[in-house]
Amino acid sequence: NAGVTQTPKFQVLKTGQSMTLQCAQDMNHEYMSWYRQDPGMGLRLIHYSVGAGITDQGEVPNGYNVSRSTTEDFPLRLLSAAPSQTSVYFCASRRGLAGLKTQYFGPGTRLLVL
Amino acid sequence: AQKVTQAQTEISVVEKEDVTLDCVYETRDTTYYLFWYKQPPSGELVFLIRRNSFDEQNEISGRYSWNFQKSTSSFNFTITASQVVDSAVYFCALSDLMKTSYDKVIFGPGTSLSVIP
Repeated sequence: NAGVTQTPKFQVLKTGQSMTLQCAQDMNHEYMSWYRQDPGMGLRLIHYSVGAGITDQGEVPNGYNVSRSTTEDFPLRLLSAAPSQTSVYFCASRRGLAGLKTQYFGPGTRLLVL
Repeated sequence: AQKVTQAQTEISVVEKEDVTLDCVYETRDTTYYLFWYKQPPSGELVFLIRRNSFDEQNEISGRYSWNFQKSTSSFNFTITASQVVDSAVYFCALSDLMKTSYDKVIFGPGTSLSVIP
């Protein structure tokens, strides 16, 4: 198993550009989520999904869109990048409730918005 | 509302010293789960432990131990005889059972541990 994979590893954008961060998992996990990590703030939940076709907002959803057309993939879209979105983005997946099933994280995508 | 506080932003210890990382949490639920994750300099997030709110037994795994005290809403992490490989950022996290189908995992700000040879 490859686990949770993310592409790209690093990206530089100009303000106003759009892009999609890719996330895929091969463990048949229902639950997937996107976090952003900023210094001194830990990881904050952006969006999450409990299965194909079902998504919802987390703590900091503004400026991001998601969709879940398959169990395996959960892309994160930045529609119009802003410098405040400079961050490290982590995708995570798990089979069920966090209290019962281990959450696995991807290696992260480092995004710089100029 | 859920909240996780890790008051220690950075800690430096000399190798072989013991070190305790503090975690204080807030939740209104009686059923919840607590976690610790390690993020080494390479950047990946490594799961260390999960503990539910009904189990206050301390846990030991090698040089790692965890002290869960509901009375003080704390879930502290101790590394005994620290090693350079323990240098990392450590995150404490909390999830409680929401009335929806998804239980959010809320992370603290992290504590950066440096172990000096």
